[in-house]
Amino acid sequence: QSALTQPASVSGSPGQSITISCTGTSSDVGSYNLVSWYQQHPGKAPKLMIYEGSKRPSGVSNRFSGSKSGNTASLTISGLQAEDEADYYCCSYAGSSTSYVFGTGTKVTVL
Amino acid sequence: QITLTESGPTLVKPTQTLTLTCTFSGFSLSTSGVGVGWIRQPPGKALEWLALIYWDDDKRYSPSLKSRLTITKDTSKNQVVLTMTNMDPVDTATYYCAHINLGYFVMDVWGQGTTVTVSS
Repeated sequence: QSALTQPASVSGSPGQSITISCTGTSSDVGSYNLVSWYQQHPGKAPKLMIYEGSKRPSGVSNRFSGSKSGNTASLTISGLQAEDEADYYCCSYAGSSTSYVFGTGTKVTVL
Repeated sequence: QITLTESGPTLVKPTQTLTLTCTFSGFSLSTSGVGVGWIRQPPGKALEWLALIYWDDDKRYSPSLKSRLTITKDTSKNQVVLTMTNMDPVDTATYYCAHINLGYFVMDVWGQGTTVTVSS
């Protein structure tokens, strides 16, 4: 099972919107609407930001939104803020045997 | 409130077996739809899913590491144990455990992680 593909880095200015892509296959992202997104600040544990592709856990800002088209999921951060600077990982359910596969990770820089 | 805490050795020698414990509170592993997973992250690299165990003792392993991993649970102690055999320097990483909500197939709450270095 190969890792999902994400861009290594994405940057934007405060207030702008950015989108991070997460490309998988028909065995994972394409088969299930079960993509989650995690934010990880340096030295910290990942924090769940989006689950089931587009749902936000309680307490997560509505500036974060998720979507999916075919084998690619996306995370959009609108109204970019300095605190959004972090690494972001997607994760997809991939069936009962493989279970989960993570993305390669994207470093978001706020210019 | 769900919390998870990982514990284990910080340093292991090559070829040794690593044993990590995840101690949790705020949920029971005897409750339907609940699981605990293990994930690792080598320094400066991406997250990698390793294994999980569900409330009904169903277990799943990463295909690439399946031969080296064993996951067990002790419901009475609120603990999940992961063992990894034949450790190698490439296994140096921060190891996390996480609560799994099977209703959404999501690892929604994570521990703070424990760092393991493999070196002679």
